[in-house]
Amino acid sequence: LAKTTQPISMDSYEGQEVNITCSHNNIATNDYITWYQQFPSQGPRFIIQGYKTKVTNEVASLFIPADRKSSTLSLPRVSLSDTAVYYCLVGDRRVDSNYQLIWGAGTKLIIKP
Amino acid sequence: ETGVTQTPRHLVMGMTNKKSLKCEQHLGHNAMYWYKQSAKKPLELMFVYNFKEQTENNSVPSRFSPECPNSSHLFLHLHTLQPEDSALYLCASSQYTGTEAFFGQGTRLTVV
Repeated sequence: LAKTTQPISMDSYEGQEVNITCSHNNIATNDYITWYQQFPSQGPRFIIQGYKTKVTNEVASLFIPADRKSSTLSLPRVSLSDTAVYYCLVGDRRVDSNYQLIWGAGTKLIIKP
Repeated sequence: ETGVTQTPRHLVMGMTNKKSLKCEQHLGHNAMYWYKQSAKKPLELMFVYNFKEQTENNSVPSRFSPECPNSSHLFLHLHTLQPEDSALYLCASSQYTGTEAFFGQGTRLTVV
């Protein structure tokens, strides 16, 4: 059973900022939050990973509140090519951890012109 | 290009055939995975190798048999498959289990 809950689908328009929220009420102390993007018939691609507060890279930002029970992936100024499925996962990244990431259904994001 | 290469990209096989999928990574990662993705379903983790030792087998039928001869290569041996095994099979690797995973392009398998 996936440890996360996220909307099944979202629509937006080119040039807009898109925020996808993920709920992970049972997140454990050692869990990190990771987001992936997947295009049809391709393997998922890592977007961003964080533990708390805010993480930003060249493609997205990840906002994590203090209680860590949810997180929000923010995609600035989306384009048509951002149409994809976005997955939120939580997992323990310690070297000796045997915990495996469990994938949910993800959020299908459709960007319109 | 993720650094994880899967071959073949497409495979059609009969139910009595034996075939193998190959995955290769030269990223220096210690964990490698096989996933199955059927149409409109989430990714299903099949096998995990951590430091060349199999650490997870999520109740996968014995007609799927993994092999990890070294830290850079992973195989999935297939025999007497069923049509419902048709899916996209994805290989991934990561530094350790739970860290950023790099996925291959996948093998689109069709069982006829």
